[in-house]
Amino acid sequence: NAGVMQNPRHLVRRRGQEARLRCSPMKGHSHVYWYRQLPEEGLKFMVYLQKENIIDESGMPKERFSAEFPKEGPSILRIQQVVRGDSAAYFCASSPSGSGANVLTFGAGSRLTVL
Amino acid sequence: DAKTTQPTSMDCAEGRAANLPCNHSTISGNEYVYWYRQIHSQGPQYIIHGLKNNETNEMASLIITEDRKSSTLILPHATLRDTAVYYCIVRPSNSGAGSYQLTFGKGTKLSVIP
Repeated sequence: NAGVMQNPRHLVRRRGQEARLRCSPMKGHSHVYWYRQLPEEGLKFMVYLQKENIIDESGMPKERFSAEFPKEGPSILRIQQVVRGDSAAYFCASSPSGSGANVLTFGAGSRLTVL
Repeated sequence: DAKTTQPTSMDCAEGRAANLPCNHSTISGNEYVYWYRQIHSQGPQYIIHGLKNNETNEMASLIITEDRKSSTLILPHATLRDTAVYYCIVRPSNSGAGSYQLTFGKGTKLSVIP
């Protein structure tokens, strides 16, 4: 039973390029969350999605960042025109429901480096 | 704002029990206490959670005080692989922003020493 799968694990982009990070939730999980961890800091919530719906994107920067979770396929976090400040580890988590009684299971993360 | 307070760092001898404290004096009746850990460069790993009663699983035990204002995570026989940052998180049991916007504070950096 595979866990939360994220790819790529490492991504290098030059300033101005686009970064796409993918997340496949655990089998049976329909709720996906994205968190960002800047160097030497704790994880910060970015966005919460269910299939085809964004439930809460209050933690996501208003510009350049977008997320989707289509009916088929993985969830995608997209960062357009990346800047050096976007360099961070991006973690995806999934759960079977939004209830606080359900554990969020995290993936191994995608590490973005912007040159 | 983090709703929990943890020591910045702790050391534990290999093979001994590691006891990690957490204060959550403003916890509400419907809020769980969750523990996660993050081993260097890896994703957060779920350890255990509880509401009122003490809990035990294959990884750890969670002791919650009767007034629920503090708790202790116990790793019964710490190994070098338990060296990590441990996060204590308070989380509402219902669905809503508080249940998925987990607040990862600074955590406790546990170093297991040979």
